[in-house]
Amino acid sequence: DIQLTQSPSSVSASVGDRVTFTCRASQDISSWLAWHQQKPGEAPKLLIYAASNLQSGVPSRFSGSGSGTYFTLTITSLQPEDFATYYCQQADSFPITFGQGTRLEIK
Amino acid sequence: EVQLVASGGDLVQPGGSLRLSCAASGFTFSNCWMGWVRQAPGKGLEWVANIKEDGSEKYYVDSVKGRLTVSRDNAKSSLYLQMNSLRAEDTAVYYCARARGRVGAIDYWGQGTLVTVSS
Repeated sequence: DIQLTQSPSSVSASVGDRVTFTCRASQDISSWLAWHQQKPGEAPKLLIYAASNLQSGVPSRFSGSGSGTYFTLTITSLQPEDFATYYCQQADSFPITFGQGTRLEIK
Repeated sequence: EVQLVASGGDLVQPGGSLRLSCAASGFTFSNCWMGWVRQAPGKGLEWVANIKEDGSEKYYVDSVKGRLTVSRDNAKSSLYLQMNSLRAEDTAVYYCARARGRVGAIDYWGQGTLVTVSS
C-alpha cells in the first residue's frame, strides 16, 4: 500500500499569511495526487487534482505542485474560511490512501 | 449541481448488518466510477470501496473484504453499501463519493451518514 505522510500535523497562521503543506508518498505516484479540505462537521471538498489542477470553483489562492513522491499545497493570503483540515489523497493505485491530515488553525 | 445524499446510517450491534444508500443527481451517474469513504470519530479519512460505471469491477480496502459489498443501480442513480458482520471498528461517518476514473481523485462528496456499532 502507498503511504502518504503529511507535514506539519498542525499549523497556526494569521489571516493574510501564506502557508505551505507537504505530502510525501512512500513510492512514486507520478502526478496522481489530490488535495481535499474539510471543515468541522462537513464533508471534504476537492481543491486540487492531478497534483496541480485547480478544481472548478476553488479560489486561485490555492495551488498545488509536485510529482513523484513530494507534493505541496500552498494557500496565499489566508482567508477566515480557509481554517480547516487538509488531506492529500493518492489516485495512483488501489487501495486508495489518504494522508493523516494537516490542521490549519487561526493564530 | 452534483448532489450525493447518503442515508441508512444507524446504531447496530456487533455482528449485525446495515445497508447504506446514496442517491445521486446532477450528473450522468451511469458514466461515473463511484465509491465510499469513511471517517471514524475524530480520525482521518479511509477509503472503503470503488465500483465501476457498469458495476463489473469492485475494489475494497483489505479490512472490509468479505464483509462489506458495494453495488449500484444505474436506473435509479443510486449507490449502495451492504454491511455485514459489523465490528466496533466500523463505527464511522460513511461518505458517498464520485471518483474521477478508476483510481481517481474524489471530486464530489456526499454529506455522510453515521454508522455506530455498539452493544
